[in-house]
Amino acid sequence: DTGVSQDPRHKITKRGQNVTFRCDPISEHNRLYWYRQTLGQGPEFLTYFQNEAQLEKSRLLSDRFSAERPKGSFSTLEIQRTEQGDSAMYLCASSLIRGLFTDTQYFGPGTRLTVL
Amino acid sequence: TQLLEQSPQFLSIQEGENLTVYCNSSSVFSSLQWYRQEPGEGPVLLVTVVTGGEVKKLKRLTFQFGDARKDSSLHITAAQPGDTGLYLCAGDMNYGGSQGNLIFGKGTKLSVKP
Repeated sequence: DTGVSQDPRHKITKRGQNVTFRCDPISEHNRLYWYRQTLGQGPEFLTYFQNEAQLEKSRLLSDRFSAERPKGSFSTLEIQRTEQGDSAMYLCASSLIRGLFTDTQYFGPGTRLTVL
Repeated sequence: TQLLEQSPQFLSIQEGENLTVYCNSSSVFSSLQWYRQEPGEGPVLLVTVVTGGEVKKLKRLTFQFGDARKDSSLHITAAQPGDTGLYLCAGDMNYGGSQGNLIFGKGTKLSVKP
């Protein structure tokens, strides 16, 4: 079991640039979640997928944010025209849903984004 | 308003002391998770509690889920420097297993000094 992996671990960019992060979930996990965590706060939900379908999006996910999971495996999160307020740790989590089984989310190490 | 309130926010203790961290809400959760997070890393799951009144033990850590499923506590016995970290509680409000997002508290930052 290799766990959830995220790439890159750190990203520094200038305001106005686009950035893309990748998440590889635990294999065979059918749910994949994206969260954002700022300093001194707990993670805040952004969006989640079940297989390739994006089932829920938070109001935190502005039009500049887009997430995909094209084949139901890895996922990408893109931020266009980055702003300084986008600086945060972006966390990915995955879980397995089977019927009524209550899933547990396992988190990756995160991508730390700094927008200058 | 924060749906899940954690207290205390910060805790600094000496090695060997006991401590309790609280996670409270006015809402009912179908399950609640406790995570520990180190700086620059993602949260690592410690335990999931599902049943009201449930108590789970993990070595020196004892987790309790309130009878009404609105609150939880984490008790650490004889704390060690390796217990240092940010302790997060997270709840889901979706019943029937169809969980969407987790709602997190702000965390309790624990520092255990040798």
